[in-house]
Amino acid sequence: NAGVTQTPKFQVLKTGQSMTLQCAQDMNHNSMYWYRQDPGMGLRLIYYSASEGTTDKGEVPNGYNVSRLNKREFSLRLESAAPSQTSVYFCASSRTGGYGYTFGSGTRLTVV
Amino acid sequence: GQQLNQSPQSMFIQEGEDVSMNCTSSSIFNTWLWYKQDPGEGPVLLIALYKAGELTSNGRLTAQFGITRKDSFLNISASIPSDVGIYFCAGQLFKAAGNKLTFGGGTRVLVKP
Repeated sequence: NAGVTQTPKFQVLKTGQSMTLQCAQDMNHNSMYWYRQDPGMGLRLIYYSASEGTTDKGEVPNGYNVSRLNKREFSLRLESAAPSQTSVYFCASSRTGGYGYTFGSGTRLTVV
Repeated sequence: GQQLNQSPQSMFIQEGEDVSMNCTSSSIFNTWLWYKQDPGEGPVLLIALYKAGELTSNGRLTAQFGITRKDSFLNISASIPSDVGIYFCAGQLFKAAGNKLTFGGGTRVLVKP
């Protein structure tokens, strides 16, 4: 019962480097999401995918791209990392109709 | 977009105390959810509320969906040390695109020194 799996758990990048955060769910959920969590800011939606083959911007999409590779996997890419992207990133999934999200355990990213 | 105001931002608990937190919105939601986040982990769903006026319990936790559909509260009775963490409220509109949730800013629960 893995649920939502995120990799890596920790990452340090230099400004300007690129990287991809991976997320996979094994619950056959249709919708997947990427959030960032900053101190005092709660959870902010970066991008989401309502179903396989679709992606849409959330509240804070600038500097990020996403790919819904298949129903299970939804990746988040930082093309040119900036210190402002230092944050904890959470992937989540849900089935159609809502009923809440299942979150992964997060990726702690530091950009120096 | 919608904003959820969650209060208090932080609170200290003493073992055995009852505590409560609430969430208000300028918009109507069809579903209210409460999550808890332990340090180093992702949020975990505690309670989901689907009907205005609904009162739901999960062990020592009780949550209510406000009659106006613009607010919700969460009570924790007889708090214990493992209640420490960040509690988030979240609202969802009926048939929201992509089932999107709007999250409150969180209530950080700490133990009184």
